[in-house]
Amino acid sequence: AQSVSQHNHHVILSEAASLELGCNYSYGGTVNLFWYVQYPGQHLQLLLKYFSGDPLVKGIKGFEAEFIKSKFSFNLRKPSVQWSDTAEYFCAVNAKTSYDKVIFGPGTSLSVIP
Amino acid sequence: AAGVIQSPRHLIKEKRETATLKCYPIPRHDTVYWYQQGPGQDPQFLISFYEKMQSDKGSIPDRFSAQQFSDYHSELNMSSLELGDSALYFCASSLGSTYYEQYFGPGTRLTVT
Repeated sequence: AQSVSQHNHHVILSEAASLELGCNYSYGGTVNLFWYVQYPGQHLQLLLKYFSGDPLVKGIKGFEAEFIKSKFSFNLRKPSVQWSDTAEYFCAVNAKTSYDKVIFGPGTSLSVIP
Repeated sequence: AAGVIQSPRHLIKEKRETATLKCYPIPRHDTVYWYQQGPGQDPQFLISFYEKMQSDKGSIPDRFSAQQFSDYHSELNMSSLELGDSALYFCASSLGSTYYEQYFGPGTRLTVT
């Protein structure tokens, strides 16, 4: 069965600090990978996704993620965070087959201090 | 661009009541997924439908049922509500194919008192 783990439950950073959120998944087949963000009181929004091709994926709001197949990892990065990046971040995976559900990681809560 | 629509956005029910949540997928999307996100939790998959047939089933309680209609909208019916059913319920839709992306709706926040 697929599963997703995220390295940190809660991260606290000062503005302008660099961010890296770890994500590992377990699944034997090929996968689609996602990072979602959920701002306080709001719904899930897609930050970026990886389906195939260049393993370095750029998303919205200056976020990027790198897929390292050998490590089953898909870490999220941002060189300089802002207070408005305070949110819950979910790594997610689904199998590269039709109609498959998305499996979410437990989430990492990011708090950015002005 | 059209997005996934969910109604209602907020719902308050009492224990043992029933609730019906509706999801309208993006036009031409034929697959619908339901997820439940409890307070401070990650979204958990409940059930999905493709072309009006159930395609996968997750941790959906027996008290819940769902279906997809001919216009591809879906309804999640919840009976004998319990306090623990209080959560954010997301619907997502996709165009069924090998490589696809699920688009999430804004969610329905259900509060059971």
